[in-house]
Amino acid sequence: DAGVIQSPRHEVTEMGQEVTLRCKPISGHDYLFWYRQTMMRGLELLIYFNNNVPIDDSGMPEDRFSAKMPNASFSTLKIQPSEPRDSAVYFCASSLYPDSPKETQYFGPGTRLLVL
Amino acid sequence: DQQVKQNSPSLSVQEGRISILNCDYTNSMFDYFLWYKKYPAEGPTFLISISSIKDKNEDGRFTVFLNKSAKHLSLHIVPSQPGDSAVYFCAASANQGGKLIFGQGTELSVKP
Repeated sequence: DAGVIQSPRHEVTEMGQEVTLRCKPISGHDYLFWYRQTMMRGLELLIYFNNNVPIDDSGMPEDRFSAKMPNASFSTLKIQPSEPRDSAVYFCASSLYPDSPKETQYFGPGTRLLVL
Repeated sequence: DQQVKQNSPSLSVQEGRISILNCDYTNSMFDYFLWYKKYPAEGPTFLISISSIKDKNEDGRFTVFLNKSAKHLSLHIVPSQPGDSAVYFCAASANQGGKLIFGQGTELSVKP
């Protein structure tokens, strides 16, 4: 398996623009997670899905952020409009629950977002 | 509010010596703890885990210790190798369908 695939790997955009990050989870995994990594807060969980249904979006910072999972093999995280404080590395992860070891998540390589 | 805290942003250790990375948590409902390792430009990868019914789990050079009364866990790496240089994240779960809460990470540098 190719692992979790994220695109793009790098994104530079201007404030106010729409940004769409994409994720393809590992085939057969039924959980998908979106994280944001910053120096101050480390890895923050933004939202996660189970069987394509959003379960917990309490980590989504504000209404400018939205996420969808139209099918088991694809998810998007959209920021509209983007702001400089959204600059971070965004990770997608997937898991098969229960798994061994329990609750191990497999991460993609991340998308490094810079909003100017 | 940070439920999982790694208070040391960085740690430097000499090759061959022991590395000890610490993690504290506040939520008494956490019942499973994990350590992830992250190299630059890569996603975190699972390293080792421990259930709350245990106080120690060992895997090769890596050992995780859990002190539930203190709400504290630590990762020991013995002996440390230059290839261990990475950011280490502590994570915890409260049996919420796979949801993990991560700490801020500790950057370990192992010098030859």
